[in-house]
Amino acid sequence: GQQLNQSPQSMFIQEGEDVSMNCTSSSIFNTWLWYKQEPGEGPVLLIALYKAGELTSNGRLTAQFGITRKDSFLNISASIPSDVGIYFCAGRSGANNLFFGTGTRLTVIP
Amino acid sequence: DAGVIQSPRHEVTEMGQEVTLRCKPISGHNSLFWYRQTMMRGLELLIYFNNNVPIDDSGMPEDRFSAKMPNASFSTLKIQPSEPRDSAVYFCASSFGLGDNEQFFGPGTRLTVL
Repeated sequence: GQQLNQSPQSMFIQEGEDVSMNCTSSSIFNTWLWYKQEPGEGPVLLIALYKAGELTSNGRLTAQFGITRKDSFLNISASIPSDVGIYFCAGRSGANNLFFGTGTRLTVIP
Repeated sequence: DAGVIQSPRHEVTEMGQEVTLRCKPISGHNSLFWYRQTMMRGLELLIYFNNNVPIDDSGMPEDRFSAKMPNASFSTLKIQPSEPRDSAVYFCASSFGLGDNEQFFGPGTRLTVL
């Protein structure tokens, strides 16, 4: 399968701080997606990106589709305790298969 | 509105036993996906269906795994015989169509094979 490297693996931050995580691929993707997973639940879609260079926001979340189509980042501004969870990037290369990153575990300290 | 429903939520079984995981997709969705999540390999697509027809099962790890979708509102993933390395969280997701249509995930079934 295709490799998606996500970093960092985990983050411990103070409430109110900004967060940045990224995902890189060895292959080109046509779509980049960012999901959040909370304990005992399935992943929930946060942001979808469809074009190289695209920058999209969803509230305090901002994500970008890298120009090379091999990377994407997700920023969270002014973190709050409910941002805690595991964030996954995912890429689609034209077929219907989604390839997921290894995840970034976020802990927000009140 | 009900999301994707999976049952059971937890399953503990002994090696060699047959395991059947169940999924009810969101009403009106015609695509269904089975994923497996482990610490070592992350989230992997096992198989997906479109209009009840299996489209790609290349992610199914072994012949011990099989999946069916007898109708638009029900799918099963069966492991027979189960092995300890099958222990994982299995997710079902559904979408309206394929491609870039959003996949909605169920809560998962946590399988432990002793």
